[in-house]
Amino acid sequence: GNSVTQMEGPVTLSEEAFLTINCTYTATGYPSLFWYVQYPGEGLQLLLKATKADDKGSNKGFEATYRKETTSFHLEKGSVQVSDSAVYFCALSDPANNDMRFGAGTRLTVKP
Amino acid sequence: GAGVSQSPSNKVTEKGKDVELRCDPISGHTALYWYRQSLGQGLEFLIYFQGNSAPDKSGLPSDRFSAERTGGSVSTLTIQRTQQEDSAVYLCASSLALAGGHGDEQYFGPGTRLTVT
Repeated sequence: GNSVTQMEGPVTLSEEAFLTINCTYTATGYPSLFWYVQYPGEGLQLLLKATKADDKGSNKGFEATYRKETTSFHLEKGSVQVSDSAVYFCALSDPANNDMRFGAGTRLTVKP
Repeated sequence: GAGVSQSPSNKVTEKGKDVELRCDPISGHTALYWYRQSLGQGLEFLIYFQGNSAPDKSGLPSDRFSAERTGGSVSTLTIQRTQQEDSAVYLCASSLALAGGHGDEQYFGPGTRLTVT
C-alpha cells in the first residue's frame, strides 16, 4: 500500500539557517505530494504541493521537488525564521481513489 | 466561507463510556477523512468517505471505532467503551475530490480533544 516516511525530529535550528526535512514515499501509482504545516495551537494547513514528477511546489520561501526516480519530496528553505517553528507533515494522495497518507510529522524549532 | 467544523472541541469521558464526535465538512466536498493525532505523534489515518462509495475503514484501530456519514455531508465518529489509550485529538478533513482526484487539498477542522479518565 501507499506510505510516507519522513525525517524524524525534533529539528532545532538557529534563525537564518538552511532547512531540509527529508520525505520519501511508496506508492503503487502516480500520487500527488504535499507538505502540510501545523503551527502551535492551530490546525493543519497546506504549505505546498506537486502533482507530477519534476514539479516544484513553493510557498513562503519553502520548496519541494517531486523526484520520481528517488521517490522523494524533500522540504527545503534557505533561511528559516522563528515564525517557521511548527510541525511539518509530508503526505501523498492516490489519484485513483483520493486516499491520503501522512508521514509522522517533524517538529521544527527555530531559535533567535 | 465556512470551513470544516468539529464538535465538541473538548470531551472528557470516563473509561468505558461511549462518545460521539461530529464533523461538518465544507459544503460541496465529497471526500471526508478522520485522523487521530496522539500527543507527540503524527497523523494516524482512521477512515475515509468518498461520495456514495463504501468507506475505507482500513485505519480503524479496533471494532470499538465506527463512523458514518449521513447524506454525504455530516459525519459522526463513535468510540464505544472508551479506553485511556483512546485519548488523542481527532481531526476531520474534507476535500473536493474532483474527477481523477489529482492534487486535491484537504481542509482540516480544529479537532476534538478527547480525554479518557
